[in-house]
Amino acid sequence: GAVVSQHPSRVICKSGTSVKIECRSLDFQATTMFWYRQFPKKSLMLMATSNEGSKATYEQGVEKDKFLINHASLTLSTLTVTSAHPEDSSFYICSARAGRGGTSGRGQFFGPGTRLTVL
Amino acid sequence: AQKITQTQPGMFVQEKEAVTLDCTYDTSDQSYGLFWYKQPSSGEMIFLIYQGSYDEQNATEGRYSLNFQKARKSANLVISASQLGDSAMYFCAMRSAHSGGYQKVTFGTGTKLQVIP
Repeated sequence: GAVVSQHPSRVICKSGTSVKIECRSLDFQATTMFWYRQFPKKSLMLMATSNEGSKATYEQGVEKDKFLINHASLTLSTLTVTSAHPEDSSFYICSARAGRGGTSGRGQFFGPGTRLTVL
Repeated sequence: AQKITQTQPGMFVQEKEAVTLDCTYDTSDQSYGLFWYKQPSSGEMIFLIYQGSYDEQNATEGRYSLNFQKARKSANLVISASQLGDSAMYFCAMRSAHSGGYQKVTFGTGTKLQVIP
């Protein structure tokens, strides 16, 4: 099946610094990528949806200036957590999908996640 | 708005027995898709099974089957012959249309399944 990678898998940073997380689709072109956040023992919460070459669409309550998303190419999307604080500590998961339309079963693949810890 | 409800925060099952994980959903869309994902302690999301809203037959994938009851808006996951490796979090999810012209996936709160030897 298709593979989505995330880098780094784990990051620890000091409060106030910015952290960039990369999401790559390795063997397919992802016209749409999704970024999720997951708190311990909780469900995945969609943060934003990005389409290649256009601005990301953020879910209600997600700060656009804090979580910068760039979908620069059909195989790469980045999430930058700016001026990170301890409350931003979480598990961030990206998902990549080829194509926009339809509700076909396959076609959305998840990365392995990035665990961010802000001290 | 789309909503997925999983009412079982945790479940236990004896090895080799079958187990049903409940999922109900709410949507006003006519076309949608329902998924089940497995998330082991490593954190990765593993796709298990998919059911389209217009599919007349229940989906099956190996030991996984989806009991789709459209009128009741339920999409329960049945795991047959449970194995120790099945111990994980299981998420029910629904993909439906988003106003931005793309598909949006909404997840339930998950069920933690523990298989007992």
